[in-house]
Amino acid sequence: QVQLVESGGGVVQPGRSLRVSCAASGFTFNSYAMHWVRQAPGKGLEWVAVVSYDGSNQFYVDSVKGRFTISRDNSKNTLYLQMNSLSVEDTAVYYCAKERENHYFDYWGQGTLVTVSS
Amino acid sequence: EIVLTQSPATLSLSPGERATLSCRASQSISSYLAWYQQRPGQAPRLLLYEASNRVTGIPARFSGSGSGTDFTLTINSLEPEDFAVYYCQHRRNWPLTFGGGTRVEIK
Repeated sequence: QVQLVESGGGVVQPGRSLRVSCAASGFTFNSYAMHWVRQAPGKGLEWVAVVSYDGSNQFYVDSVKGRFTISRDNSKNTLYLQMNSLSVEDTAVYYCAKERENHYFDYWGQGTLVTVSS
Repeated sequence: EIVLTQSPATLSLSPGERATLSCRASQSISSYLAWYQQRPGQAPRLLLYEASNRVTGIPARFSGSGSGTDFTLTINSLEPEDFAVYYCQHRRNWPLTFGGGTRVEIK
């Protein structure tokens, strides 16, 4: 069965960096685009970034462009999100999500909480 | 950026009643819309895609309709497990965006 397991969340000070990871199993990882979606505490969902199946293309929401980098290691079946220059507005649960096709998300991880606070 | 506006914000209904949720796009998105359910403490779950196609395993009481800018999710005869938050999401272009959500609560 498909499993997505995020890790790497935690408490970080404003302006610092953090990398979160998502370990995938149960499907052919290198055949699917992968996404990060976040949810601030008590708020709705916000799409953050996507990386193509082979890592050659990425797109980002404007609020993270230039600060966040999505990448993947298909040899390790792992998705990453490198987050730099973090601000309090980046505090959220970060979900990795597998793309079903045509940019819909059919499987989600359980999420990892990133808290940006001094 | 395409803005998706969901209404109402909260829907208070009893088990067995019908729920009708709305999602309006700020510009035409054809049928490029999905609906997700999120129960407390859980990740979202894909219910429908391309406005009206039910995902395998989703009960038939969930149905979707609409195209262009106006979309509807209907839940016939609410079951206890259906009380949750529902989000719409478009795929018309980048960035992908979600609506603000509709909470379906027990009356």
